Amino acid sequence: AQRVTQPEKLLSVFKGAPVELKCNYSYSGSPELFWYVQYSRQRLQLLLRHISRESIKGFTADLNKGETSFHLKKPFAQEEDSAMYYCALRWGAQKLVFGQGTRLTINP
Amino acid sequence: ETGVTQSPTHLIKTRGQQVTLRCSSQSGHNTVSWYQQALGQGPQFIFQYYREEENGRGNFPPRFSGLQFPNYSSELNVNALELDDSALYLCASSSSAGREGNTIYFGEGSWLTVV
Repeated sequence: AQRVTQPEKLLSVFKGAPVELKCNYSYSGSPELFWYVQYSRQRLQLLLRHISRESIKGFTADLNKGETSFHLKKPFAQEEDSAMYYCALRWGAQKLVFGQGTRLTINP
Repeated sequence: ETGVTQSPTHLIKTRGQQVTLRCSSQSGHNTVSWYQQALGQGPQFIFQYYREEENGRGNFPPRFSGLQFPNYSSELNVNALELDDSALYLCASSSSAGREGNTIYFGEGSWLTVV
């Protein structure tokens, strides 16, 4: 069965420090991974997907099939990055399984 | 800004009652999925509708049911409400059930409290 694990429920870093949010997955097929973000009082929105291999708001994530990981990274955190971050895996057609989420807090 | 809209935004129901939540998908999207997000948890897949037919279901009992209408809007119905049904219910839409790479857009959700 497919599963996504985010080991850290809470992560707090100082502004300007590097950020890494961990995500591991379990899936027998070819995985398609996403990071979704939810800012305070806003809806869940797509941050980035592994197939795009792009950087959004300074964030990047690389799919590592050997380690079954898809960690989200940003070299210099900004206060506006404070939010809930969810790692998700697409299975079947247009269906997602989510991790429990990591609440990221950027301290000034 | 995503075009997925949900109603109502908040509601309170009594244990044993029934509830209907509604979702209008983004224009042009024919696939709608529903997720339950309990407090402190990530969203969990309930079921998906594609062209008015159920197209997959998560680990939820039959008292969770749904509909999709010809205009691709959707309803989630929950019968015999239990306290543990208290959660944020999210609707998500996308453009096709059979193709890869289509973005899935979420609504703001309906907060259900069962007392």
